[in-house]
Amino acid sequence: GENVEQHPSTLSVQEGDSAVIKCTYSDSASNYFPWYKQELGKGPQLIIDIRSNVGEKKDQRIAVTLNKTAKHFSLHITETQPEDSAVYFCAATGGSGAGSYQLTFGKGTKLSVIP
Amino acid sequence: DGGITQSPKYLFRKEGQNVTLSCEQNLNHDAMYWYRQDPGQGLRLIYYSQIVNDFQKGDIAEGYSVSREKKESFPLTVTSAQKNPTAFYLCASSILGGMNTEAFFGQGTRLTVV
Repeated sequence: GENVEQHPSTLSVQEGDSAVIKCTYSDSASNYFPWYKQELGKGPQLIIDIRSNVGEKKDQRIAVTLNKTAKHFSLHITETQPEDSAVYFCAATGGSGAGSYQLTFGKGTKLSVIP
Repeated sequence: DGGITQSPKYLFRKEGQNVTLSCEQNLNHDAMYWYRQDPGQGLRLIYYSQIVNDFQKGDIAEGYSVSREKKESFPLTVTSAQKNPTAFYLCASSILGGMNTEAFFGQGTRLTVV
């Protein structure tokens, strides 16, 4: 089945700086890679996603890049703000067999933006 | 407003008891999912259902059971066989049977064994 590794597990940045979170996946057939943001005591919310037919996607201060050859994808947050502080999860799906219907998550990155 | 609703938000269970967590969605989604979240573990899949009256085990199904009698509802029962049930439980849904579309999550139920 799919295995998703996420790094770092914690990340502290100064307000206004950039933050980068990296994930690797194991199933080369995976074709959908969402990123979720989870605030304390709440359910995760999708913030951006990318499919395997594109290499980069941007939405205001958030961007995601995908390298299919190396099987890794990254989340980039620019001009960080205190409200960006949360736990971020990467995920992968669309791979082979039964895994094609399951989202496999990384273990999460706790981002703290220091004012 | 469309969305996915979990209840209750907090649940306390005595050892040896079964408890049922509710998950309802009005998004007309075919697929529904239950995840368990533990600190430092990320989200792990318990069960998923792609259509009514059908469901499959995820990675950590032991000690749990589900039903899918209606498209809108996917309740999760935590049985006494689950040895370490204290966790945060998340329900999700998506449009199609596959999750290569956006998944919508509920706000979660925190279960504590007392």
